[in-house]
Formats: sequence, structure tokens, C-alpha cells
Amino acid sequence: QLQLQESGPGLVKPSETLSLTCTVSGDSINSNTYYWGWIRQPPGKGLEWIGNFHYGGTTYYNPSLKSRVTLSVDTSKKQFSLKLTSVTAADTAVYYCARGVSQGGSYQIDSWGQGTLVTVSS
Amino acid sequence: DIQMTQSPSSLSASVGDRVTITCRASQSISSYLNWYQQKPGKAPKLLIYTASSLQSGVPSRFSGSGSGTDFTLTINKLQPEDLATYYCQQTYSTSWTFGQGTKVEIK
Repeated sequence: QLQLQESGPGLVKPSETLSLTCTVSGDSINSNTYYWGWIRQPPGKGLEWIGNFHYGGTTYYNPSLKSRVTLSVDTSKKQFSLKLTSVTAADTAVYYCARGVSQGGSYQIDSWGQGTLVTVSS
Repeated sequence: DIQMTQSPSSLSASVGDRVTITCRASQSISSYLNWYQQKPGKAPKLLIYTASSLQSGVPSRFSGSGSGTDFTLTINKLQPEDLATYYCQQTYSTSWTFGQGTKVEIK
């Protein structure tokens, strides 16, 4: 059974870089069947898609975050990562890693990590 | 970006009621519309994909309909465990977007 686990600092200072890693167990990242990516949720607010990638294919980013976001993958460690630069308090959120799967000819997110709260504060 | 607008933002209903949540896209997204349920303190869970297909393991009281720009999530015979926030999501474009959410409370 697929499991996703986020890890990384829970506190980041303003203007610094937020770095999170998602460890995948129970499935292979280097499959072209799935998308892997990140979604965030500020406290008390809704979901915001950050970006995702298709192994061996293209990486897509939320246009509003594109200039500050980088997704990367390390298949040997079964991990993928998120880097968000120049953070501000507005980047405080629960960050989820997730898997996208194709059913019915379109994509949907069928698996989520438990989420990790990242607070941006000095 | 394709904007997704849900209504209402919140609702309160009694156990056994039929609940309807709507989601409107700013442009046609065919049937590339998913619905998620998020219970307090938990990660979201996929309920409905491609507008009307029930995800495996999801109770049949949940159903979805619509295409183009207008979509509906219906919960028949609301149960206490359906207390949650519900989100629609489009995956028509490569830049995925969510609706702002609809909070369902039990009277």
C-alpha cells in the first residue's frame, strides 16, 4: 500500500528557503503512470496546488509560485522534494505531498501524505 | 488560470438530508472535475473523479454530475461522519486549481 511521508523543518525564517522531502513507500516514483507533487493549505484556508511532475516528463508549477518553486526527484532514495525560495508569512501552511493517478481519462489525486506544518517566522 | 467557484461556502443540514454543493469553472473543463472530502485535521480524500465516477470505497450516497462549466456534488441521506469541507478540483489544464471549499456542518 502506498504511503507518503513529508519531512523537513517546521520553522523557516522570512526570506529564506523552505525545503521539504516526501518519502514514497509501496510504489515506484519512476513510473510514467503517475504524477507526484505538492499541495499546501494555509491555516483555516483552502487548498492550493503548488506543482507536480511526471517521471521522465514535464514538471508543472502553479503560475503564481513558479518563480520561487523547484521540484526535484531522487529515485534511488524514493524521494521527491520541494524548494520554495524567498518565503514570507504568507507561505505558512500545511504542506502535503501527493500522487496523481489517471482514471477515466483524466487525472486526480488519489493518495496524500499526512501533511506537515511549516511556519515562516523570525 | 482556470478559476473554480464553489457555492455555498458553508451549509448546515440534518442527518438524513440531501445536500447539494455546486462548483463552477471559469471556462469549459469538459468532465475533468474531481471532488475531495477533508475532515478536520486530516488530509483530503478523493470522492468523485471525472465529474461523476465514484472512487473505490466511497459510499454510494455520494454522487457527482455535470460537464463543461457547471458541476454538482450530492450527498444523499447525510450522515454524521460527513462533517467535513468539500473541494472541487479541475485537472483540465496543466495548472490544477481547487475551489475554495464548502464546509458541511450537521445540525
